[in-house]
Amino acid sequence: QSALTQPASVSGSPGQSITISCTGTSSDVGGYNYVSWYQQHPGKAPKLMIYDVSNRPSGVSNRFSGSKSGNTASLTISGLQAEDEADYYCTSYRSSSTPWVFGGGTKLTVL
Amino acid sequence: EVQLVESGGGLVQPGRSLRLSCTASGFTFGDYAMSWFRQAPGKGLEWVGFIRSKAYGGTTEYAASVKGRFTISRDDSKSIAYLQMNSLKTEDTAVYYCTRVSVYSFDYWGQGTLVTVSS
Repeated sequence: QSALTQPASVSGSPGQSITISCTGTSSDVGGYNYVSWYQQHPGKAPKLMIYDVSNRPSGVSNRFSGSKSGNTASLTISGLQAEDEADYYCTSYRSSSTPWVFGGGTKLTVL
Repeated sequence: EVQLVESGGGLVQPGRSLRLSCTASGFTFGDYAMSWFRQAPGKGLEWVGFIRSKAYGGTTEYAASVKGRFTISRDDSKSIAYLQMNSLKTEDTAVYYCTRVSVYSFDYWGQGTLVTVSS
């Protein structure tokens, strides 16, 4: 069982917006602004999409945005495109000998 | 351009050892912590461990599932991070990824190398 809770799957139609949640505790998501999100297409390496809750690395589309409220972080993808279909993972830093916790991943299907 | 290339994967029998390498280029390797992840077939990502930069002591941390069996090291002169895996179990079968640690996130990933533990 993953330390962070994500929905197993979400879906949306092209052009729509979807949000993926990532729920932790006050010791990780709620305690630090160090949540990051990763996109993984089948057979490919993960790619950083959002870091420090809401920052986008250079080259990542502004259709991707992140936010946090309390112990829950969220990834929102607007203007869904077929290429967005992938697995998405969240992670949060925590002050521990195992400094990061991960979510179990969410499969996004673009209908 | 930042590149991370893993190597050393393959088929190994249970109880044996294997060492993975992660060769980095395109950045000052010694300035960054490096981390290893794995992904079992059809499963999610699992963090394996990481090694801090020498500026932060070069110390390591590991996931409970591999602590005492796996060791991460680095050779800054060669820009290589290593993952030494001992006493391998069938449940260690996975694609292993190395990543660069950027403060609190993992900003670059290698393509992965497959480790299969089977008799």
